Amino acid sequence: QVTLRESGPALVKPTQTLTLTCSYSGFSLTTSGMCVSWIRQPPGKALEWLGRIDWDDGKYYSTSLRTRLSISQDTSKNQVVLKMTNVDPVDTATYYCARTYLYSSGWYFPDYWGQGTLVTVSS
Amino acid sequence: QSVLTQPPSVSAAPGQKVTISCSGSGSHDHVSWYQHLPGRAPKLLIYDSNKRPSGIPDRFSGSKSATSATLGITGLQTGDEADYYCGSWDSSLTANWVFGGGTKLTVL
Repeated sequence: QVTLRESGPALVKPTQTLTLTCSYSGFSLTTSGMCVSWIRQPPGKALEWLGRIDWDDGKYYSTSLRTRLSISQDTSKNQVVLKMTNVDPVDTATYYCARTYLYSSGWYFPDYWGQGTLVTVSS
Repeated sequence: QSVLTQPPSVSAAPGQKVTISCSGSGSHDHVSWYQHLPGRAPKLLIYDSNKRPSGIPDRFSGSKSATSATLGITGLQTGDEADYYCGSWDSSLTANWVFGGGTKLTVL
């Protein structure tokens, strides 16, 4: 059974660095074709993809946020970490991590998602 | 503003059928669809435009034309009331995933 759970601070001050952890089970990020994506949803708005880390430690980031994002993994702990620097109130959102898998068609799809964690950026 | 365009809302009565469109510019092949209930983890309904993961009932279907993708839901149930999002890799950018703006389905 695949499960993912996001954890981190509920409140962050502007200009600080946000660090979120995705703890997963039921799959291995060392398996070829396996990835974890980070996605967020501001209140009342649509989903926004932030980035992805692959089984071979390849990393891909949203073009609009790439200068502020960093994704890393600790396979010994089954965890993926997202860091976002210089946060602003517009970064207030529910942050999700999602297993992303290379399907037989040759394309990756986020398939299993965590429940998300709400992060508020406010002084 | 989302690269993929969805209608903000659709509605239909229980037992009826509804379709939700997802259109966009550039190259957006291999669309997936997600059901998002408030406070819950989004659920994958369709991947690769028309394939269902195991456990997803055949009431949910996906199709794709040259410029848009469509999610179809038949035999509507009150439990289907949720937000639905399409998503796809944008091959015009470097491995960026894009979502549609979401569609609120109301089962009357």
